[in-house]
Amino acid sequence: GAGVSQTPSNKVTEKGKYVELRCDPISGHTALYWYRQSLGQGPEFLIYFQGTGAADDSGLPNDRFFAVRPEGSVSTLKIQRTERGDSAVYLCASSPNIAGLKYFGPGTRLTVT
Amino acid sequence: RKEVEQDPGPFNVPEGATVAFNCTYSNSASQSFFWYRQDCRKEPKLLMSVYSSGNEDGRFTAQLNRASQYISLLIRDSKLSDSATYLCVVNPQGAQKLVFGQGTRLTINP
Repeated sequence: GAGVSQTPSNKVTEKGKYVELRCDPISGHTALYWYRQSLGQGPEFLIYFQGTGAADDSGLPNDRFFAVRPEGSVSTLKIQRTERGDSAVYLCASSPNIAGLKYFGPGTRLTVT
Repeated sequence: RKEVEQDPGPFNVPEGATVAFNCTYSNSASQSFFWYRQDCRKEPKLLMSVYSSGNEDGRFTAQLNRASQYISLLIRDSKLSDSATYLCVVNPQGAQKLVFGQGTRLTINP
């Protein structure tokens, strides 16, 4: 069946611009996670949704980062006033419930110039 | 101190060799433990869960030592296709997030 999909696969933007990254979880998965992976590092947790609500946003680095999941399915990660340090691969994962195994999408590679 | 620490390597071993990785975690209340595999420019994929009793899946064996707070992965009879980065992952108690180590890069040489 279809896995987690993320769009775009690559995004190049200029410093100071706004970007949106999209995640389509596996159908029926209620839990959705965003992670960020910098070069040479493991993924770092950003935020987790259970249904439509953000259950844990403790990993968001600052208020330039925001994520939504209005209908409990697709999620969008929004980054305002991008900085070069935001350059990373942004990974989305979903699981059928909060205790279930997590399946990762292929990620969006963000480059801020 | 990082929550999950791994030796980043790289480890270069000949095909057929046995290779072992360890990682340590700082939160003694952590509940669940995993090894993920990540190929270059790909997403992480679950390799195996790790249980206190130890568990084996073919050529792969994972062990958890709660007293010492470390997790190990052993790969026997390594194959060229085992070349990847291996991520040690911990699920802290009461949290739904996964905490990843830096990853250990493994290259199997012919």
